[in-house]
Amino acid sequence: AQTVTQSQPEMSVQEAETVTLSCTYDTSESDYYLFWYKQPPSRQMILVIRQEAYKQQNATENRFSVNFQKAAKSFSLKISDSQLGDAAMYFCAYRSGTGNQFYFGTGTSLTVIP
Amino acid sequence: DAGITQSPRHKVTETGTPVTLRCHQTENHRYMYWYRQDPGHGLRLIHYSYGVKDTDKGEVSDGYSVSRSKTEDFLLTLESATSSQTSVYFCAISEQTGGAGGYTFGSGTRLTVV
Repeated sequence: AQTVTQSQPEMSVQEAETVTLSCTYDTSESDYYLFWYKQPPSRQMILVIRQEAYKQQNATENRFSVNFQKAAKSFSLKISDSQLGDAAMYFCAYRSGTGNQFYFGTGTSLTVIP
Repeated sequence: DAGITQSPRHKVTETGTPVTLRCHQTENHRYMYWYRQDPGHGLRLIHYSYGVKDTDKGEVSDGYSVSRSKTEDFLLTLESATSSQTSVYFCAISEQTGGAGGYTFGSGTRLTVV
């Protein structure tokens, strides 16, 4: 089974500043997809951003961007201009190109300080 | 989330009792999943379904069974609840296997076994 590692259980950032959440994964596959999900206190899981492994260009969604380093098997999430509403648990996830299952990391709890 | 609902949202039950959690979707998606979320473990797959009456085990399936008699409903049953099954349970749906498509998650069920 693939493993996804988030080594930062907790992070904090000042409002309007930038923060980067780390994620590494282990796979022998060449075709796969990577995702970041946000889970606010409401418990709802919200897709933030996704990256196709075959694409060299890093994905960007408004204030959210990723740094995808395929050789290093690293997939970090950068949040720019942090807002109070960004406070949540963030999960990194891996999905095989042909598989059903997502593999999730253990999560990083992000606090935004006013 | 719109199109997928879980019931109940919260439940407290006693050790040894049977419990059934329900996931209902209106998206007509083929694939449905049950995950459990625990601190330090992220989300882990319990069972999934790839069609009516077609189900398969995930990585933490012991003590759980599932049924899917209709496209829209996916039931998770704990035959005899144990304290180790205290968790937050998420249902998810997807339209296809593999690919860049993410899951759509339900809002979760918090189950406490006392």
